[in-house]
Amino acid sequence: EVQLVESGGGLVQPGGSLRLSCAASGFTFSSYWMSWVRQAPGKGLEWVANIKQDGSEKYYVDSVKGRFTISRDNAKNSLYLQMNSLRAEDTAVYYCARLVLFNTFDYWGQGTLVTVSS
Amino acid sequence: SSELTQDPAVSVALGQTVRITCQGDSLRSYYASWYQQKPGQAPVLVIYGKNNRPSGIPDRFSGSSSGNTASLTITGAQAEDEADYYCNSRDSSGNHNVVFGGGTKLTVL
Repeated sequence: EVQLVESGGGLVQPGGSLRLSCAASGFTFSSYWMSWVRQAPGKGLEWVANIKQDGSEKYYVDSVKGRFTISRDNAKNSLYLQMNSLRAEDTAVYYCARLVLFNTFDYWGQGTLVTVSS
Repeated sequence: SSELTQDPAVSVALGQTVRITCQGDSLRSYYASWYQQKPGQAPVLVIYGKNNRPSGIPDRFSGSSSGNTASLTITGAQAEDEADYYCNSRDSSGNHNVVFGGGTKLTVL
């Protein structure tokens, strides 16, 4: 059974940093692109970042470029999102998702809430 | 970048058929995927590719596409289908970015 379990969310002040983790199990993690998708309270889904199987390619939505870094550790079956210079508008539930066929997220984690507030 | 446009809300009578649409330039080049999200839950993939359903998704869900419009059809809507539905696609700019529609709130009457 495919499982994705996020952790690391919480309350952080504007300008602060946070590192999200996603533990994957039930599939060969190193064979798949992985992604982060977020959802602000009461709003729709927003793609945040993708990373290739070996970490050699990474893509970001414009609003997080230069502030967020996606990474992975295939030996630990884990996906990460380092978030720096956080802003109030980054407040959202962050989902880890497995990416197939360029734009299809076939499995999602339960999400972790990030709140940016003073 | 590109945008995908969805109607904010759609309603359907129990047992009837409803179509939820998604419009955008990227859909001329790439298939949409569709996700169902119920309150407090993570999204669930319901349709991907030309018209493919993941295991466990009822066959009352189907997908189609024409020009710049993708559609999700629920034939014989059930009460448990009441949810938010999101489409997404690859960005048409030629990069690896992904875009989502704004979502459609489906009410089953």
